[in-house]
Amino acid sequence: GAVVSQHPSRVICKSGTSVKIECRSLDFQATTMFWYRQFPKQSLMLMATSNEGSKATYEQGVEKDKFLINHASLTLSTLTVTSAHPEDSSFYICSARGRGILTNEKLFFGSGTQLSVL
Amino acid sequence: AQKITQTQPGMFVQEKEAVTLDCTYDTSDPSYGLFWYKQPSSGEMIFLIYQGSYDQQNATEGRYSLNFQKARKSANLVISASQLGDSAMYFCAMREGPSSASKIIFGSGTRLSIRP
Repeated sequence: GAVVSQHPSRVICKSGTSVKIECRSLDFQATTMFWYRQFPKQSLMLMATSNEGSKATYEQGVEKDKFLINHASLTLSTLTVTSAHPEDSSFYICSARGRGILTNEKLFFGSGTQLSVL
Repeated sequence: AQKITQTQPGMFVQEKEAVTLDCTYDTSDPSYGLFWYKQPSSGEMIFLIYQGSYDQQNATEGRYSLNFQKARKSANLVISASQLGDSAMYFCAMREGPSSASKIIFGSGTRLSIRP
């Protein structure tokens, strides 16, 4: 099946630093990538949608200058949390949808990144 | 307003019994898709089953089946012969619109615990 690789799986950083999370589709072309945020024991909240080669579309309430999303190629999207603060601590998970009969409906998820900001 | 509603925050089921997880949705778009995902404690999201709004038959994938009742806007997940490994969070999700770029939103989830 299709594989989405997300790195790092866990990151601890100091307040004020920036953190980059990578999401790669390993065996399919990801035409659309989604970034979600999940607080403990809660649901996934969609942060933004990105299509390859175009600017990301952010959900209401998500600061685009704080959560920078780049989808430069059909296999890579990155989320950069700029000037991270403790309230940004959360589980971030990416997902990708690709072209083709087998992949155009399902979302394939990365394994998630647990961000802890001290 | 909630687009995806899962009314069962937690459920306990005896091993080998069948279990139904409820999901109702709200959309005015005639074209949509419904998904169920499983999230074990490791955090990964595992795709279970998909139902398109125009699909005539209920989707089935092994022990998973989706009880799709379009008029009632419900898409309940049925797990037959539950196993200890089924213990996890289960999320119902919906894609509105036919576009491959349409976003997918998730319900609040149901924590399923299987008793031995």
